[in-house]
Amino acid sequence: GDSVTQMEGPVTLSEEAFLTINCTYTATGYPSLFWYVQYPGEGLQLLLKATKADDKGSNKGFEATYRKETTSFHLEKGSVQVSDSAVYFCALRGVYNQGGKLIFGQGTELSVKP
Amino acid sequence: EPEVTQTPSHQVTQMGQEVILRCVPISNHLYFYWYRQILGQKVEFLVSFYNNEISEKSEIFDDQFSVERPDGSNFTLKIRSTKLEDSAMYFCATLGGAGADTQYFGPGTRLTVL
Repeated sequence: GDSVTQMEGPVTLSEEAFLTINCTYTATGYPSLFWYVQYPGEGLQLLLKATKADDKGSNKGFEATYRKETTSFHLEKGSVQVSDSAVYFCALRGVYNQGGKLIFGQGTELSVKP
Repeated sequence: EPEVTQTPSHQVTQMGQEVILRCVPISNHLYFYWYRQILGQKVEFLVSFYNNEISEKSEIFDDQFSVERPDGSNFTLKIRSTKLEDSAMYFCATLGGAGADTQYFGPGTRLTVL
């Protein structure tokens, strides 16, 4: 079945460092891909998405490119801030998914130090 | 901005008791979901609901779970006889109509079964 694998956390960076969180997926066809973020004590918020191959999703300085050839959707940010500290989830919605459910990776905790 | 709300934020119950978790979806959204996240683990799909019936459910969603939309506004998840392993954060999510691809999540209900 469909699945998502993320790099293990926690990831600890200094402010203004470059961020990469790896995400790879297994799915039939061309799923839609998402990054959600969970700030402490809050629910999941959509950060960005891409619905077809080579699409680049971007928001708040974060970006991720849908790579069909490597089945990847890595999250990047050029210069992280303390306020980016959160848990980041990669997710997919399969093509043959009638109910529209999301399948999540295990989440990667990011901690940014001043 | 419209948001999904959930009550209670934290529920403590004794093993074997029934609990009802409540969600108020975004107005005019048509698709509803429950997910859960056991501490330290990934977010897992439980059930999707559309047009007053379940459209898909996971293996986790056994006979002790049920969902309904009793009054056209609330969307509830009932666990009939709670087990210790039901302790988790439960998230409600909603999706707009056909063609929409972004699920909006509530802040979650933390269920603790003693």
